[in-house]
Amino acid sequence: KNEVEQSPQNLTAQEGEFITINCSYSVGISALHWLQQHPGGGIVSLFMLSSGKKKHGRLIATINIQEKHSSLHITASHPRDSAVYICAVSEVQGAQKLVFGQGTRLTINP
Amino acid sequence: KAGVTQTPRYLIKTRGQQVTLSCSPISGHRSVSWYQQTPGQGLQFLFEYFSETQRNKGNFPGRFSGRQFSNSRSEMNVSTLELGDSALYLCATNPGGSSNYGYTFGSGTRLTVV
Repeated sequence: KNEVEQSPQNLTAQEGEFITINCSYSVGISALHWLQQHPGGGIVSLFMLSSGKKKHGRLIATINIQEKHSSLHITASHPRDSAVYICAVSEVQGAQKLVFGQGTRLTINP
Repeated sequence: KAGVTQTPRYLIKTRGQQVTLSCSPISGHRSVSWYQQTPGQGLQFLFEYFSETQRNKGNFPGRFSGRQFSNSRSEMNVSTLELGDSALYLCATNPGGSSNYGYTFGSGTRLTVV
């Protein structure tokens, strides 16, 4: 079993829909990261969380440390949000190393 | 400020050859981590350097090596290339000293071994 599990693996939605991507992890962490990867490969860091909730524009990320679970929400989704979203954790015992989920491929149709 | 620069962007090599990839971090970022991304295995940690010292190493064979220079630029080297080494190689940098800093990623080097 992977240390970081994401669901769903693939998600297709219509423009304007509310999107939720989930991430569960099994190790102790110092921080959880949500990343976005577009075709072509470059990765952009969206959020780094150690507790609570963060919001940036239409993106919201939450984390529940007790349940070892995080969610990434996209409100009013748009075709330009189409990308692979990756959850990654910095382990408490593994400093300066990220452990990644397998990613969620999101497609937003106009 | 300038982002993380990886060179080259694309590379085609023949089995048995060796390759060197470069990563120049954002000014002030002293930690450089390297990751391999393949369709089958996803993103996997290769190694991390801080102040010219390797602090962590992932589960890769000794053909994969790296180093860091005094200006924090890092190189990784893969010797005796195999077809399975075809992947996107990404570096990520942060100020270092704590895993609670966010990471900035480069655009990656796409290596194809034929």
